[in-house]
Amino acid sequence: AQKITQTQPGMFVQEKEAVTLDCTYDTSDQSYGLFWYKQPSSGEMIFLIYQGSYDEQNATEGRYSLNFQKARKSANLVISASQLGDSAMYFCAMREGRHNFNKFYFGSGTKLNVKP
Amino acid sequence: EAGVAQSPRYKIIEKRQSVAFWCNPISGHATLYWYQQILGQGPKLLIQFQNNGVVDDSQLPKDRFSAERLKGVDSTLKIQPAKLEDSAVYLCASSHPIRDSPLHFGNGTRLTVT
Repeated sequence: AQKITQTQPGMFVQEKEAVTLDCTYDTSDQSYGLFWYKQPSSGEMIFLIYQGSYDEQNATEGRYSLNFQKARKSANLVISASQLGDSAMYFCAMREGRHNFNKFYFGSGTKLNVKP
Repeated sequence: EAGVAQSPRYKIIEKRQSVAFWCNPISGHATLYWYQQILGQGPKLLIQFQNNGVVDDSQLPKDRFSAERLKGVDSTLKIQPAKLEDSAVYLCASSHPIRDSPLHFGNGTRLTVT
């Protein structure tokens, strides 16, 4: 079974609107972490936001927020007020494992295009 | 703090040749990862080191790929001989021992095998 599933290969959003990128995960661990990364066309992987499995509040970082629904095993990324510079690939990732032996799993990504 | 350093940035080789990539993680990061990212896909873990020991190399094609991290700091990944399907971006990442620390990635090496 896939550890991380991103069902949207591509998304379009109008500049200044909000967009939600979907992510579901599969784990039997009680303690895990969920991450979102942005990969522009230049190729670098940029960390955006983190949510721990025990965190009760949804994580927020500026225009990014993570809609964490534990029972549904989903960790959707919400980008508010989209900007042209948000056009990129977005990857959801999950960390499992014990303290010094973390394993990270990545989804297949969603390509976001922001239209002017 | 300085980020994860990788070199070279780009490499073009012919099939059956060999190639090596180098990575220097962020200081203090005990865990180092090598990922392969084929165009249009997510990163796939090749090998994970904890200090200078291998934690996971289950997806490393060991007949042609090798990696080492001799002193628990920088690392090299080698492909010998290369195949056309090895064309990809090779990403090195490191993470802090704190459990909730994210992966920090280098800029990657884009390998083209012709």
